[in-house]
Amino acid sequence: DSGVTQTPKHLITATGQRVTLRCSPRSGDLSVYWYQQSLDQGLQFLIQYYNGEERAKGNILERFSAQQFPDLHSELNLSSLELGDSALYFCASNPGEAVSGNTIYFGEGSWLTVV
Amino acid sequence: DAKTTQPPSMDCAEGRAANLPCNHSTISGNEYVYWYRQIHSQGPQYIIHGLKNNETNEMASLIITEDRKSSTLILPHATLRDTAVYYCIVRVASYGGATNKLIFGTGTLLAVQP
Repeated sequence: DSGVTQTPKHLITATGQRVTLRCSPRSGDLSVYWYQQSLDQGLQFLIQYYNGEERAKGNILERFSAQQFPDLHSELNLSSLELGDSALYFCASNPGEAVSGNTIYFGEGSWLTVV
Repeated sequence: DAKTTQPPSMDCAEGRAANLPCNHSTISGNEYVYWYRQIHSQGPQYIIHGLKNNETNEMASLIITEDRKSSTLILPHATLRDTAVYYCIVRVASYGGATNKLIFGTGTLLAVQP
C-alpha cells in the first residue's frame, strides 16, 4: 500500500459526459501528479500540483482540468468525454521537500471506460 | 531529463537473479537513476534509486557504472510475482519545492518462468 488513495476505482460513463477523479496523497505530501495510461500510449504525464499551485503541465487536453485543495487532495476533471479517453488514470504524490526525499509514490488508479 | 534505453523484454527463470540493463548515456551530473515496476494494470511501484554509488534495499540492487552511462537493476531471486514491466528513469532531483515529474519510457517486460 503506497498510501495514495484514488476514487473511484472503476467508472463507466457515456460519451459527452463529465467525470471527476479524486486523489488523496500520502499524509504530508505536498506534490500531486496525474498520469494517464491507455493501451497505445503508455504512461503519460498530465499535470502536477504543489501545495495548491500548478507546477508542471504535460500532455493534458483542454477538456481536462485539475486542482489541488487546501487539504492537499486533488481532483482531475474530465469533460466532453470521448471514447479515446478510456484509460487508467493514476495519481502520485511526493513530499516535495528535501528532508523527505524525492521518491514519487503511485496510487492504484481509476479505470475509466467511456461507452 | 536524459533519455533511457531498455530492452523491450527479458526472460528469467524462477529463483535465478534477474539483471535488467538500462542505458542513459546522456545523463547529467545532477540526475538520479530511478527504477519502477508496474505489475499488470497496477500502479507503478517504486523499487530503488541512485546517483553514483551502488544501492541495495530489500527489493533489489542497483549497479551504476563509473561513468554513469548505464545501470543494471538486479532482482536477486526472481519469483513469478516479479513478472512486470520495469522502467528505468533518469530525473533531476530538485529540493526545496515541487519535485520533478517522472517521464516513463516503454520499459522492459520481465517474464519470470517457472
